[in-house]
Order: sequence, then C-alpha cells, then structure tokens
Amino acid sequence: DTAVSQTPKYLVTQMGNDKSIKCEQNLGHDTMYWYKQDSKKFLKIMFSYNNKELIINETVPNRFSPKSPDKAHLNLHINSLELGDSAVYFCASSPKRGTYNEQFFGPGTRLTVL
Amino acid sequence: KQEVTQIPAALSVPEGENLVLNCSFTDSAIYNLQWFRQDPGKGLTSLLLIQSSQREQTSGRLNASLDKSSGRSTLYIAASQPGDSATYLCAVSGGANNLFFGTGTRLTVIP
Repeated sequence: DTAVSQTPKYLVTQMGNDKSIKCEQNLGHDTMYWYKQDSKKFLKIMFSYNNKELIINETVPNRFSPKSPDKAHLNLHINSLELGDSAVYFCASSPKRGTYNEQFFGPGTRLTVL
Repeated sequence: KQEVTQIPAALSVPEGENLVLNCSFTDSAIYNLQWFRQDPGKGLTSLLLIQSSQREQTSGRLNASLDKSSGRSTLYIAASQPGDSATYLCAVSGGANNLFFGTGTRLTVIP
C-alpha cells in the first residue's frame, strides 16, 4: 500500500485557471507538509499542518490555499495559476513534531502552466 | 536563516568504489538531519535520519555522520553499485520541523 499518495501525478493547465492537488497518507501521522521543487530542482517548504491546524506558512502567494479536512489529508488549491507556478509539488508526512520526526514523501505532482 | 550546501554538485565513480557526499548547514540549532535519494522523475526516498543528539546512523552500505557544532554531515556509500545512481539530498529540520534542503549531489555509478 502506498504510504503517501498524491493525485494527480501530472497536471497541465492554462494560465488563470484554478486547480487542486490532493494528498493522502495512511501512516497515521499527525503532521503533513507541502513542498515545491522548482526547475532547478531546489525543494522548499510551503505549508505544514499538524492535526488539521496550520503551523507553517512560508512566503507563499495567497493564491495558494491548503486545506486539511482531517489529519490524513492535506489538499492544495491554487487560484489564478501563473507561469511561475510550474513546478513539482510534493506532499510529505511525519509522525509528530520533535527530534525523531522522519518525513515521508509522496511521488509528486508535476504542474505545468501554459 | 538556515542555508544548506552540498558538495560536490555531481559525482561520477566506477562501480565498487567507496564514496563520500558532503553536506553543510549554517545554523547548528537543528532537530535532526535527513538524507534522501531522488530518482529522475520520482519522489524522495528517506535513507537515514540522524537526531541532533546522535553522531551517526547506519543502514546497509550507507553510513551518515553528523557534527552539529561544525554544521557538517557526510553520507558514506560503500561498494557503490549502478543502482545507487540518483540525486542525494540532505535536509535539516528546524524548530517547526520544516525541512531545509540542499541542492543535492547527482551521483552516477559507472558499471
């Protein structure tokens, strides 16, 4: 069984559209994250949720809105897509906060904005 | 702000060689350090996690060390195999448990 899954795997859309990416983890973890990997392969944190509560919100445009309906799901909704939003978006989860907090990543969603 | 650097950016070795990948970070106030591998077009696979109080961790042919005071970690891969070819990423965890990633080392093991 897949531990952290994301849908869709690929997403191609036009500028100005609104799209969502879904993430689910079946590991029973309390904390979930969204990371963005840009064209230079650099990974950067976007958001972190702990038990459905937002705990990290890096300097991300407010066109990006995460939603956590329960602690196993963290979805990412993007409004008014721009060319610069093209990237690979990774979801991750970890057991809880603290020193032993190994993060497990999903397979990624490659978003292409035309 | 935490900055993570990995050297070298790319490395090619013949099969069977032992090799070391380097990672350095600017802020020593970390919770832990995690090494990942990423295959082309794929997600990240966690290899090893070293807690801030630990000096090293081992898993099979992999050994990771951590020197928090000097802001350095190394990943040692013994007896490299073509299947080890991938990009290796180092990441340190801050107080909020978000990971700060390095830019990676692309490893190619030549048969």
